[in-house]
Amino acid sequence: DAKTTQPPSMDCAEGRAANLPCNHSTISGNEYVYWYRQIHSQGPQYIIHGLKNNETNEMASLIITEDRKSSTLILPHATLRDTAVYYCIVRASGSSEGAQKLVFGQGTRLTINP
Amino acid sequence: DGGITQSPKYLFRKEGQNVTLSCEQNLNHDAMYWYRQDPGQGLRLIYYSQIVNDFQKGDIAEGYSVSREKKESFPLTVTSAQKNPTAFYLCASGTFGRFFGQGTRLTVV
Repeated sequence: DAKTTQPPSMDCAEGRAANLPCNHSTISGNEYVYWYRQIHSQGPQYIIHGLKNNETNEMASLIITEDRKSSTLILPHATLRDTAVYYCIVRASGSSEGAQKLVFGQGTRLTINP
Repeated sequence: DGGITQSPKYLFRKEGQNVTLSCEQNLNHDAMYWYRQDPGQGLRLIYYSQIVNDFQKGDIAEGYSVSREKKESFPLTVTSAQKNPTAFYLCASGTFGRFFGQGTRLTVV
């Protein structure tokens, strides 16, 4: 399974763009990059995912480098409610048992400051 | 409303007792998952099921058991064999476990 590396913590001012980096240098060609976030004591919330093209939805934008070895999640106008732990996940490659699971690391703790 | 329901939100049990955590989904998903989360840590996969009457062990299955008799239900039993059962337990469903419930916080005293 491809592993991801994220900074343990980041701070961002309210109203500014929050840019969260993720390295996944061992990603395989058919593996997607997923982003989730988890607000304290709640279940993870899906944000966005992509394969190689940049993606945007109502929550965020995902920028994937051309070599796919890293990506950046962008929250364009961060609010206090965006304070959470953000997980960058590469979909685990399928085994013979079909273990289509998501492998969660420790993520980045993003704090939005007023 | 469609979604995943975990109950209860908080659960207390005495050491040595088995306890069953409930997970129900009305999203018509075939795949369901159980994760464990310890303070300050990421999620670790306990068990998963890709279809009714079938399930597989995840990375930390020892001390846990599951059943999948119905598509919408995937209960997790934390047995007395689990050495450190106090944790936050999360159920997920859908492709790659994309949709999560709100979790059950189990405390064993």
